[in-house]
Amino acid sequence: GAVVSQHPSRVICKSGTSVKIECRSLDFQATTMFWYRQFPKKSLMLMATSNEGSKATYEQGVEKDKFLINHASLTLSTLTVTSAHPEDSSFYICSARRLAGDLNEQFFGPGTRLTVL
Amino acid sequence: GQNIDQPTEMTATEGAIVQINCTYQTSGFNGLFWYQQHAGEAPTFLSYNVLDGLEEKGRFSSFLSRSKGYSYLLLKELQMKDSASYLCAVMDSNYQLIWGAGTKLIIKP
Repeated sequence: GAVVSQHPSRVICKSGTSVKIECRSLDFQATTMFWYRQFPKKSLMLMATSNEGSKATYEQGVEKDKFLINHASLTLSTLTVTSAHPEDSSFYICSARRLAGDLNEQFFGPGTRLTVL
Repeated sequence: GQNIDQPTEMTATEGAIVQINCTYQTSGFNGLFWYQQHAGEAPTFLSYNVLDGLEEKGRFSSFLSRSKGYSYLLLKELQMKDSASYLCAVMDSNYQLIWGAGTKLIIKP
């Protein structure tokens, strides 16, 4: 099956620091990766769509200067939360799209729990 | 606008059957997905429907009616481990997933 990994799985940081989260597709190439944020008891919120070799497309209301996304290769995308604040504490999940016939499916990483003190 | 509706919470008994409904209104349709999400974990894929009808996979089945903008996930022989949130998501014309808020399923012994 298609496996997506995320690192780290959990991070605690001080307010004002930057945190980088990696998303890797382990056994397939992902031309598109998605970054989601999930608040407690709420649906996944799409933050941005990341295409390899080009700038990410951010959803309305998501600050591109605060959430830096880099999709350097077909198997790696990174999300950097810059100058993190307590309100950035959340569960961040990436997914990677694999085009397989008619099934355009997204495979999810295990998520990263960010806690900003 | 785009909208996915599913019940917030459902309760069922171990060994029983439960049906979780999902209705949607989206710009375009490229398939409907059901995911299971345990607390604190990322969603895991359960099923995919793009044509009308019923798709069966073990204890789980998913049904789609595109004309009605309606789907359901049917869980049979419920087990305690099935306690989780079940997310309905539709892939729109831009191949992006539009998510429902999820249905929290509580299984009682």
